[in-house]
Amino acid sequence: AQSVTQLDSQVPVFEEAPVELRCNYSSSVSVYLFWYVQYPNQGLQLLLKYLSGSTLVESINGFEAEFNKSQTSFHLRKPSVHISDTAEYFCAVSDSGYSTLTFGKGTMLLVSP
Amino acid sequence: NAGVTQTPKFRVLKTGQSMTLLCAQDMNHEYMYWYRQDPGMGLRLIHYSVGEGTTAKGEVPDGYNVSRLKKQNFLLGLESAAPSQTSVYFCASNTPGPFYEQYFGPGTRLTVT
Repeated sequence: AQSVTQLDSQVPVFEEAPVELRCNYSSSVSVYLFWYVQYPNQGLQLLLKYLSGSTLVESINGFEAEFNKSQTSFHLRKPSVHISDTAEYFCAVSDSGYSTLTFGKGTMLLVSP
Repeated sequence: NAGVTQTPKFRVLKTGQSMTLLCAQDMNHEYMYWYRQDPGMGLRLIHYSVGEGTTAKGEVPDGYNVSRLKKQNFLLGLESAAPSQTSVYFCASNTPGPFYEQYFGPGTRLTVT
């Protein structure tokens, strides 16, 4: 069975500061990893995903995540956050044996001026 | 393209009442999903469908029924609503395969009193 752990339920940061949102997963087989973002009162949308190849994946709005197989982690980072990055971020995992995603409980990123 | 749409956006039910939530997608996706989102719990899968006429149980199926009579529509029914079903419900769809992103609807906020 798959599981996803997001250790931080809430991360407050100041604008232009760096941020890391942590995600660890457990799975006995090869995995596919996703980060989704949910802005207030909206549905989820894909931020970035790791399928194979380079362990560092980037999004168009400056976020990046690194797949670390030995530590079973897929942490999300941004070197300088904006107020508009305030949202809830969900890490999710699937594997070749499943057609469904398993989500973490989410991390609320709160960016203040 | 409208993407994934959900009807209604908001609903208040009394305990014991029934209702149906409608999800529609115009992307010709085979797979569709129903999730519920509760504070601190992330997204939990209720039911899903891998094609027209097929449905399967997810993590929290009790108290819900679903139907997929047409490829583009996925209905979620509550036969006898309970206060524990107060939640935000999201529908999603995607192309078959564990590495394809899911596209989410805007959600339905349901309150059961």
